[in-house]
Amino acid sequence: AQTVTQSQPEMSVQEAETVTLSCTYDTSESDYYLFWYKQPPSRQMILVIRQEAYKQQNATENRFSVNFQKAAKSFSLKISDSQLGDAAMYFCAYRRTGANSKLTFGKGITLSVRP
Amino acid sequence: DTAVSQTPKYLVTQMGNDKSIKCEQNLGHDTMYWYKQDSKKFLKIMFSYNNKELIINETVPNRFSPKSPDKAHLNLHINSLELGDSAVYFCASSHRLAGAFFGELFFGEGSRLTVL
Repeated sequence: AQTVTQSQPEMSVQEAETVTLSCTYDTSESDYYLFWYKQPPSRQMILVIRQEAYKQQNATENRFSVNFQKAAKSFSLKISDSQLGDAAMYFCAYRRTGANSKLTFGKGITLSVRP
Repeated sequence: DTAVSQTPKYLVTQMGNDKSIKCEQNLGHDTMYWYKQDSKKFLKIMFSYNNKELIINETVPNRFSPKSPDKAHLNLHINSLELGDSAVYFCASSHRLAGAFFGELFFGEGSRLTVL
């Protein structure tokens, strides 16, 4: 069974600084997708960034980027130039390719941004 | 237009009652899901339907019964509600093949159920 581990329950960052959120996963599959979702206090689940396992290049979306280490099964999220609106819970998630697969989440990390 | 919409957004009810949550998606996806987010914010899948067919059924009490009248709708009915059922229930949709359109799930806004 696939598992996703986020070992840090909380992190804090100063506005305009950079923060990295950690995630590790366990799978025997070779092809899969990894995601970071953001859940602000409004509780809406918002996709931040995705990474295809077959791609060596790390995904980037504006101020958000990932460090994907397939051999180490590590998938961290870097937020640059942190903004107050980045304060939220962040969930790392895994989904294998193919049919009928589910999205498996880590426990999440609460990110606070200090003004 | 809301992509994945669920109703009601909030539900407060007494133990022992029966309640339903409805979900609709207008994204043209063929697969829909119910996830439960507990008080510790942990998200766990409950069910998944593909074109009205149940394809994922995690260990969920049989008081929970999903129903999918068509591929755009997935409802969740809960019988004999218990205190432990209090949670936020998320509906989501995607393409069946995780290799299609990058496999992401689109979520509704969640329905907060409080059982007293």
